[in-house]
Amino acid sequence: GAVVSQHPSWVICKSGTSVKIECRSLDFQATTMFWYRQFPKQSLMLMATSNEGSKATYEQGVEKDKFLINHASLTLSTLTVTSAHPEDSSFYICSAGQGLGSYNEQFFGPGTRLTVL
Amino acid sequence: SQQGEEDPQALSIQEGENATMNCSYKTSINNLQWYRQNSGRGLVHLILIRSNEREKHSGRLRVTLDTSKKSSSLLITASRAADTASYFCATAALKLVFGKGTKLTVNP
Repeated sequence: GAVVSQHPSWVICKSGTSVKIECRSLDFQATTMFWYRQFPKQSLMLMATSNEGSKATYEQGVEKDKFLINHASLTLSTLTVTSAHPEDSSFYICSAGQGLGSYNEQFFGPGTRLTVL
Repeated sequence: SQQGEEDPQALSIQEGENATMNCSYKTSINNLQWYRQNSGRGLVHLILIRSNEREKHSGRLRVTLDTSKKSSSLLITASRAADTASYFCATAALKLVFGKGTKLTVNP
């Protein structure tokens, strides 16, 4: 199957700093990329959907100025958590799809565990 | 609101037994997908069943879909210790919405 990588796999930062997470589709062109967050023992919650070359669509309740998403190419999307606070500590997972929208199979990255002190 | 709701929340069985997990949802869907997640890792896509399909097989996996009851089931036959993981159903409509998952433990 298609491979999606995330970097870093884990990060610890101080409150107030910004953290950038990269999501790459390694062997296919991802028209659409998705960002999810997952709290311990809970399900994945969609944060935003991004299509290459256009602005991301954020889910209700997700602050777009806090979670900056850039999808500059068909193989790379980045999520920047700005001015991170302890409540932003979570497991962030990206996924990539080969078609527009979410109907098709999504290929998930291994996730990034963010801990904000 | 959350679309998929898995049942049971946790399941513990012995190696060799079958494991059945159920998923219920509330609104119309394009397809339903099952994923597996090992602890602290990303998700692995297992199987996708379209709304006009009733049953699908993949290796030891069997998925059924009943759109009239808005429910799906995932059956893992002849389970192995390596099947220990959390299993999520996800309904695909305008977006992919995940259920809370079933934590499966297969004891050797």
